[in-house]
Amino acid sequence: DQQVKQNSPSLSVQEGRISILNCDYTNSMFDYFLWYKKYPAEGPTFLISISSIKDKNEDGRFTVFLNKSAKHLSLHIVPSQPGDSAVYFCAASGTGGSYIPTFGRGTSLIVHP
Amino acid sequence: KAGVTQTPRYLIKTRGQQVTLSCSPISGHRSVSWYQQTPGQGLQFLFEYFSETQRNKGNFPGRFSGRQFSNSRSEMNVSTLELGDSALYLCASSLLARGKETQYFGPGTRLLVL
Repeated sequence: DQQVKQNSPSLSVQEGRISILNCDYTNSMFDYFLWYKKYPAEGPTFLISISSIKDKNEDGRFTVFLNKSAKHLSLHIVPSQPGDSAVYFCAASGTGGSYIPTFGRGTSLIVHP
Repeated sequence: KAGVTQTPRYLIKTRGQQVTLSCSPISGHRSVSWYQQTPGQGLQFLFEYFSETQRNKGNFPGRFSGRQFSNSRSEMNVSTLELGDSALYLCASSLLARGKETQYFGPGTRLLVL
């Protein structure tokens, strides 16, 4: 039973446009959410996080939105660059339960020049 | 500050053999977690160690085990290897792992079981 779902295995966008990666979760105990980026042959790299007390967190070109009522979060990358091409993992953890993050299966983003 | 290091980076074994993977966390980090990543799957949690004690365990068979040393370095062992154990094994460290904390990953060990 997947508690964190990334329903789009892949996404293709044009350089300069917006990339929107989506993530849904089912466990209402999750209160901390993270996005990681992974290049081939490397480990995942932390990108951005958001606590459940917020609904938006921004860091440069990356913005994460959280909709707690819908149990949905999204990562926006504006503008997208070819170097953003990677696999993006959504993860969620909960201080009320296990703090070990649960990861989605990832979305492969390809940004075309 | 040096990042998380994992050795070896690549490994080829045959079915029935056993393997030991090593992870050195970021200096000062006391929590070390291990994950398995296979094609099409997310990162599946194996176990977490803190101060030489296993604190959390995922849903993997007993063939998968680990330990942590007093310097926070960790090893994981897989005995009686199966073809399905071929995967990227990732180690992640964090300061305390008490929630709302970021894990930092190593580059992984790519294991191929023939």
